[in-house]
Amino acid sequence: SQQGEEDPQALSIQEGENATMNCSYKTSINNLQWYRQNSGRGLVHLILIRSNEREKHSGRLRVTLDTSKKSSSLLITASRAADTASYFCATDAWGGGATNKLIFGTGTLLAVQP
Amino acid sequence: ETGVTQSPTHLIKTRGQQVTLRCSSQSGHNTVSWYQQALGQGPQFIFQYYREEENGRGNFPPRFSGLQFPNYSSELNVNALELDDSALYLCASSLAGGPDTQYFGPGTRLTVL
Repeated sequence: SQQGEEDPQALSIQEGENATMNCSYKTSINNLQWYRQNSGRGLVHLILIRSNEREKHSGRLRVTLDTSKKSSSLLITASRAADTASYFCATDAWGGGATNKLIFGTGTLLAVQP
Repeated sequence: ETGVTQSPTHLIKTRGQQVTLRCSSQSGHNTVSWYQQALGQGPQFIFQYYREEENGRGNFPPRFSGLQFPNYSSELNVNALELDDSALYLCASSLAGGPDTQYFGPGTRLTVL
């Protein structure tokens, strides 16, 4: 089952505009991560935010986390055509293993028009 | 590039057959996790291997099994393939006790006819 739900499911913007994606999740977390996936290929890690952090930046990415609302947002500023991809949030969950397993949301498909 | 490799890239099998997918983890990583991603969905956790033993499993039947080798590479085996097993299979490597980030390979696209 999916832990998170991303909103919107799909987003189309023009190059140079900002893109905002939201993620909601159900259970308590240690951290939340955002990944990008191009055309059904492997996932690329973008950013990790811990449960005791509220905001984090990495280049053109800004992530916020509100644990009281169990939600996160990913902002991509000054978007480029190369940002076209699916974006997933993933929360950790204790899988009884050495590394927490990731539970992914359903993804947001971002299309940036040149 | 994450340094995680998977083979083969694509695979077509028929219902009832068995399949083995392979994953080489990133240098220095000792944990491999496998995920199944159906079309239009997010990846779902299958299981994780650490020190050559299964260490955590998702909601997948026993016909999904795996191995981890001393060099930390891993295999995913699926027996008695069903049509619904058609998906992208992703492996991710990480370091136990290290940062929580998992690094994903490019995936194997399995089609079951």
